[in-house]
Amino acid sequence: KAGVTQTPRYLIKTRGQQVTLSCSPISGHRSVSWYQQTPGQGLQFLFEYFSETQRNKGNFPGRFSGRQFSNSRSEMNVSTLELGDSALYLCASRPGTGAYEQYFGPGTRLTVT
Amino acid sequence: AQTVTQSQPEMSVQEAETVTLSCTYDTSESDYYLFWYKQPPSRQMILVIRQEAYKQQNATENRFSVNFQKAAKSFSLKISDSQLGDAAMYFCAYSLYGNKLVFGAGTILRVKS
Repeated sequence: KAGVTQTPRYLIKTRGQQVTLSCSPISGHRSVSWYQQTPGQGLQFLFEYFSETQRNKGNFPGRFSGRQFSNSRSEMNVSTLELGDSALYLCASRPGTGAYEQYFGPGTRLTVT
Repeated sequence: AQTVTQSQPEMSVQEAETVTLSCTYDTSESDYYLFWYKQPPSRQMILVIRQEAYKQQNATENRFSVNFQKAAKSFSLKISDSQLGDAAMYFCAYSLYGNKLVFGAGTILRVKS
């Protein structure tokens, strides 16, 4: 099976812009979670989607949003980018029912200038 | 809120020797899941080993094993016969239902040849 894929891998944006990141889970996985990794804050949970519904949300401002499509692919959007949004954004998937291991994608490196 | 603490920012081990990485966590729950993830320089998060809290038996995966002490809320990772490819950042993580992962700050493992 193919692993979790994320696009794009690298992105440079300017303050105030918005950005959309994409994640395709492992085939058959219905749950997708997003994490932000920064040197200062470490790895922090953003949100989880299961069957197109957000089931959990971390402590991030409303500028961070996401959605999941019927094929389980997920997108994450950040509006009005700030310098502090520069981070590695990781997506992880799991089957969603009775399975609790999350498998991560390679990440999207976002740089905000 | 659940927290995960990794008290060793950095560890070194000689090739072929054994090293133990420490992790403690705080939770009031009785059933939960614990994980060790490895993040090499490529930044791809790789699941190393998992432990269900209801299982008393310590998990093992080839050269990797854990020492799970539920009462002490301790979850250490032992790597035997260390190899150069084991060099990476190691994260301990906690999850209540397998969805939202709470990560420790990580331990950088250096392997000397």
